[in-house]
Amino acid sequence: DAGVTQSPTHLIKTRGQHVTLRCSPISGHKSVSWYQQVLGQGPQFIFQYYEKEERGRGNFPDRFSARQFPNYSSELNVNALLLGDSALYLCASSPGARHFGAGTRLSVL
Amino acid sequence: AQRVTQPEKLLSVFKGAPVELKCNYSYSGSPELFWYVQYSRQRLQLLLRHISRESIKGFTADLNKGETSFHLKKPFAQEEDSAMYYCALRAYGQNFVFGPGTRLSVLP
Repeated sequence: DAGVTQSPTHLIKTRGQHVTLRCSPISGHKSVSWYQQVLGQGPQFIFQYYEKEERGRGNFPDRFSARQFPNYSSELNVNALLLGDSALYLCASSPGARHFGAGTRLSVL
Repeated sequence: AQRVTQPEKLLSVFKGAPVELKCNYSYSGSPELFWYVQYSRQRLQLLLRHISRESIKGFTADLNKGETSFHLKKPFAQEEDSAMYYCALRAYGQNFVFGPGTRLSVLP
């Protein structure tokens, strides 16, 4: 069992650019949730997908979007990056958020 | 709106001393409460859920609806307990709300 996998591990972007983060849930899990964790704070919910449908959305601007593919992997997209988007982005597998990935650390310069 | 507070950013105790990590929440209904732990250089992992009333690694947590609290306790701290601890709430049909976290440092 490979667990929840996220890619890339680290990413550096400049303001105004676009970024795509990827997540593969544990085999057999059909739900993926995305969280943003700013340094010094707890994770903040962004999106949940189940069976390719959006089941929840947190208080984030429309620059943030996501989708889930038929194999249940997921992408998180962020457009027009701002300095404040710098954070660790976490993916969780299963509705109960029992299994987290190691995260993608995004730095916006 | 749901909210989770953890009043201590840092808690330092000596090995063998009791530990209590505080968590308070605001929610008018019946929430599910969770504790998550993140050890150094490891991913976030679920420690325990109030609904299962279990003890994991010697930790327990009791939901007190009157005080809207879900404090995490351990009678005798070990050095390997040093980590970041996050309390989280999930309201029915909704998603997780995490607290800001408490860094536990167990001194030798």
